Amino acid sequence: DAKTTQPPSMDCAEGRAANLPCNHSTISGNEYVYWYRQIHSQGPQYIIHGLKNNETNEMASLIITEDRKSSTLILPHATLRDTAVYYCIVRPRGGGATNKLIFGTGTLLAVQP
Amino acid sequence: EAGVVQSPRYKIIEKKQPVAFWCNPISGHNTLYWYLQNLGQGPELLIRYENEEAVDDSQLPKDRFSAERLKGVDSTLKIQPAELGDSAVYLCASSLGVAETDTQYFGPGTRLTVL
Repeated sequence: DAKTTQPPSMDCAEGRAANLPCNHSTISGNEYVYWYRQIHSQGPQYIIHGLKNNETNEMASLIITEDRKSSTLILPHATLRDTAVYYCIVRPRGGGATNKLIFGTGTLLAVQP
Repeated sequence: EAGVVQSPRYKIIEKKQPVAFWCNPISGHNTLYWYLQNLGQGPELLIRYENEEAVDDSQLPKDRFSAERLKGVDSTLKIQPAELGDSAVYLCASSLGVAETDTQYFGPGTRLTVL
């Protein structure tokens, strides 16, 4: 079972920041927070991941609370092409058999013109 | 660099017929995954290969589903016979390996409709 809770849907105005929340209150110290997104009729696409520090890349920023029980994915300037289902996934550290992604139902982000 | 390639993109069959899906992973990726995605749900892992060895097939319904990855590159997922409930999107993904930092890259999927 997925170990995260996300709102089923959100709206965002084009050009504004999109802030997608995720609750993972049972996360353990050896688990990462991963974010993927899935645009309609495409496969999931990796966005970003983090352990306890905030992370930023060319696609997004990931803010993890100090207690690590929740996180927020930030798309700084949302465009219509960012409309997608966003999945927050908790994944154990270490390789091998733990390299398994367990998806929930995600958040459908609709960017409005 | 080419991504994960899957074919066909769409397939419509009648129940009890066989069907096969093909996946070509990113060049150099040793680990290959097949996922099933039902409408409105996230993908669920069916099977994972490390090179040509299936190392996690616990979620694969083995009475009707089979998979192979000959020579550790391309892979085929087969259903025989198909049932109405098999209508879904079948996704293939690959990664360099199973190291902690290895990212999974997904193909576009094959949408199966069983009538």
